[in-house]
Amino acid sequence: SQKIEQNSEALNIQEGKTATLTCNYTNYSPAYLQWYRQDPGRGPVFLLLIRENEKEKRKERLKVTFDTTLKQSLFHITASQPADSATYLCALSSSNTGKLIFGQGTTLQVKP
Amino acid sequence: DAGITQSPRHKVTETGTPVTLRCHQTENHRYMYWYRQDPGHGLRLIHYSYGVKDTDKGEVSDGYSVSRSKTEDFLLTLESATSSQTSVYFCAIGTDNSPLHFGNGTRLTVT
Repeated sequence: SQKIEQNSEALNIQEGKTATLTCNYTNYSPAYLQWYRQDPGRGPVFLLLIRENEKEKRKERLKVTFDTTLKQSLFHITASQPADSATYLCALSSSNTGKLIFGQGTTLQVKP
Repeated sequence: DAGITQSPRHKVTETGTPVTLRCHQTENHRYMYWYRQDPGHGLRLIHYSYGVKDTDKGEVSDGYSVSRSKTEDFLLTLESATSSQTSVYFCAIGTDNSPLHFGNGTRLTVT
């Protein structure tokens, strides 16, 4: 069955460091992958979309890579700030339905 | 919030009672979705709509029904609520090939 895995353990890093979050998937051939940010009590907010023919995408301090051979996406936040503390979700288009399937999310805590 | 309003924001109800959650959008978007979010499961698609009166099931549709009589409103109904339907429910608008915009959710507790 199709499966998306994100590290369920919280990631704690020091302010100024680069945070790297991982999204692995199995039994998928997604056309694209998306990353969202979710704050407590709020809905997810879209951050970046990367297509299968793109290796890397950047937006300000954010960078996403997409390796269809490894079936993995990495999400980087450089020069992290306490305001970056949130839960980050990856989402893939289901090869069965075309609808977005979400991972469980990884919580990032940036300490000052 | 991309013009998406969910109501109510919080609701407590008893097992066996009907519950309707409302999603209202001001973006005139064709596609609307209902997700539920639970610890350990992430966001799971319940139902979606691709136009007025056009709806389809998602991966966890059992026990839920939806209706879309107007472009701006998408209703999610639990005909007879069960404790397993205690969750946070999110409405979203968008298409399969574009980012989704989410509302801020409805926290439903079934006692």
